[in-house]
Amino acid sequence: EPEVTQTPSHQVTQMGQEVILRCVPISNHLYFYWYRQILGQKVEFLVSFYNNEISEKSEIFDDQFSVERPDGSNFTLKIRSTKLEDSAMYFCASTNGRGGSTDTQYFGPGTRLTVL
Amino acid sequence: GQQVMQIPQYQHVQEGEDFTTYCNSSTTLSNIQWYKQRPGGHPVFLIQLVKSGEVKKQKRLTFQFGEAKKNSSLHITATQTTDVGTYFCAGAGAGSYQLTFGKGTKLSVIP
Repeated sequence: EPEVTQTPSHQVTQMGQEVILRCVPISNHLYFYWYRQILGQKVEFLVSFYNNEISEKSEIFDDQFSVERPDGSNFTLKIRSTKLEDSAMYFCASTNGRGGSTDTQYFGPGTRLTVL
Repeated sequence: GQQVMQIPQYQHVQEGEDFTTYCNSSTTLSNIQWYKQRPGGHPVFLIQLVKSGEVKKQKRLTFQFGEAKKNSSLHITATQTTDVGTYFCAGAGAGSYQLTFGKGTKLSVIP
């Protein structure tokens, strides 16, 4: 069964550094998402992306964050000047877009970001 | 903005007992989805409810969507140790792809 993949599985960085989290969505999917989950807390929506542009974003997704689809397969989340509170598990998800908001979202295994 | 509340936060049950988690949205939803997250794992899609009053079953799991499309529940009959994990509901508003997750109910099953 097709899967969403994410790399790296764990990223450790110093406060103030930039990180790029990578995702490979399921190949025929059209909508891509980033979520984060602070340890022990709920999953929080960050951003959705379609047709090479952001379609929705949450209050969390401020100027520190950016997303990109640099080629036909990768979908990246860049965090500039990381802060301690950015430490979390970051999940990528994708949908095929045919069902609109009723699409099943398939989650990747996540990248655990630790900011020291 | 849209808020999704979920209770209880934790539930400990003896193996064989039933379990229910409840989800309530501050706004009417276009659909609600349920996910299970095992410890250290990622959310795995369980089911989606779209219609008002809809009830769906998956073996020992029963999912309901309220008539007003603002609340939902997941009921597990005769829990097993494999049911351990955190169950999240996640709702989407009309015309939105953004899922708002509840805080989840962490289920522990005592053998």
